[in-house]
Amino acid sequence: GNSVTQMEGPVTLSEEAFLTINCTYTATGYPSLFWYVQYPGEGLQLLLKATKADDKGSNKGFEATYRKETTSFHLEKGSVQVSDSAVYFCALNMDNAGNNRKLIWGLGTSLAVNP
Amino acid sequence: GAVVSQHPSRVICKSGTSVKIECRSLDFQATTMFWYRQFPKKSLMLMATSNEGSKATYEQGVEKDKFLINHASLTLSTLTVTSAHPEDSSFYICSAFFGGMNTEAFFGQGTRLTVV
Repeated sequence: GNSVTQMEGPVTLSEEAFLTINCTYTATGYPSLFWYVQYPGEGLQLLLKATKADDKGSNKGFEATYRKETTSFHLEKGSVQVSDSAVYFCALNMDNAGNNRKLIWGLGTSLAVNP
Repeated sequence: GAVVSQHPSRVICKSGTSVKIECRSLDFQATTMFWYRQFPKKSLMLMATSNEGSKATYEQGVEKDKFLINHASLTLSTLTVTSAHPEDSSFYICSAFFGGMNTEAFFGQGTRLTVV
């Protein structure tokens, strides 16, 4: 079946460090891929998405590239800030429209950025 | 983006009692809401799809008599965990969306349920 594997946290970094959170997927077709972020006390928010191979999603300095050959969608940021401390979720769906209705989720990775 | 409010954010209840969790879309009308749960060290799992004015559709393995979902209006869906037991302790999240195929869903902040 379809699934998402996400690196376990917690991840602790110093401010301005480089961030990578790995995400790989298993899917029978061509999924859309998402990264969500949940800040403390808030709802999940869409961070970025990609709907087809080689697409790059980007937002707030974060990037992720849809790699079909490695079935990956790793999240990266060149210089993290304390305000990036949150839980990050990788997810996919098989809906060709690329929306996020019925998602298959990774476990979530907690990121703590120290000043 | 649109706002979805989930209440309460945390609840502790005694075993055998029922707990109601509310999910409200604050600035849009939600034709459909989803309910998810997340056990510790596990992924978010879809429990059910709730459509306004009709019965919810439950995913395989989810007991509909235990997890009662009511989507009585376009801005409110409720999940009631009936006769809760410690194994129901989990993190419950709702999401809501409106419109056609390409619209995005918006998520509540989640409810941490602890059954003692």
